[in-house]
Amino acid sequence: AQSVAQPEDQVNVAEGNPLTVKCTYSVSGNPYLFWYVQYPNRGLQFLLKYITGDNLVKGSYGFEAEFNKSQTSFHLKKPSALVSDSALYFCAVSSLTTNAGKSTFGDGTTLTVKP
Amino acid sequence: DTEVTQTPKHLVMGMTNKKSLKCEQHMGHRAMYWYKQKAKKPPELMFVYSYEKLSINESVPSRFSPECPNSSLLNLHLHALQPEDSALYLCASSQDFSGQGGETQYFGPGTRLLVL
Repeated sequence: AQSVAQPEDQVNVAEGNPLTVKCTYSVSGNPYLFWYVQYPNRGLQFLLKYITGDNLVKGSYGFEAEFNKSQTSFHLKKPSALVSDSALYFCAVSSLTTNAGKSTFGDGTTLTVKP
Repeated sequence: DTEVTQTPKHLVMGMTNKKSLKCEQHMGHRAMYWYKQKAKKPPELMFVYSYEKLSINESVPSRFSPECPNSSLLNLHLHALQPEDSALYLCASSQDFSGQGGETQYFGPGTRLLVL
């Protein structure tokens, strides 16, 4: 089985401060890890993914995530948060060896950036 | 162009109605997906089409009937739905679906369905 945990339902941060949205995963074999963002009344939008190689992945809108195999984590980060970053963030995992390649999504973390 | 379009944006239907949701992509993707999403919850996979053939059906009730007329179009036919089927229905596409993981999915804006 594969699973994703986003331990925080809600993250609040002041504009201009760094933000972190946490994600841990469990798979058999090597993981493929994704972050998606969902703005209100919209579909999910791809931010970044880790397949292999460099553990630090850079994505859209200044976001980045670090793959940590020993801690089975893939936390999303941004050095300076914007009010417009406020949205629902989903971490997802898929793998070659588990779940027929289908993605498993975490429960989501609502990020609120206050001016 | 990384756009997936869905129509209609909103749909209200009674439990005896028949309606269809439509999805279209012009990215040349060969895999298309239907998801159901309840408010503030993760999307739940319903169906996956790969090269216009149904690859995955996540034990979805038969009142939901998918159709993939060609590689750019995906429909979801709805009949005799229940109030608990009210949700946001998301379509997505990816370059392909190998069953090996790793595909980036591109989502449409969704159809918000209300069943009365």
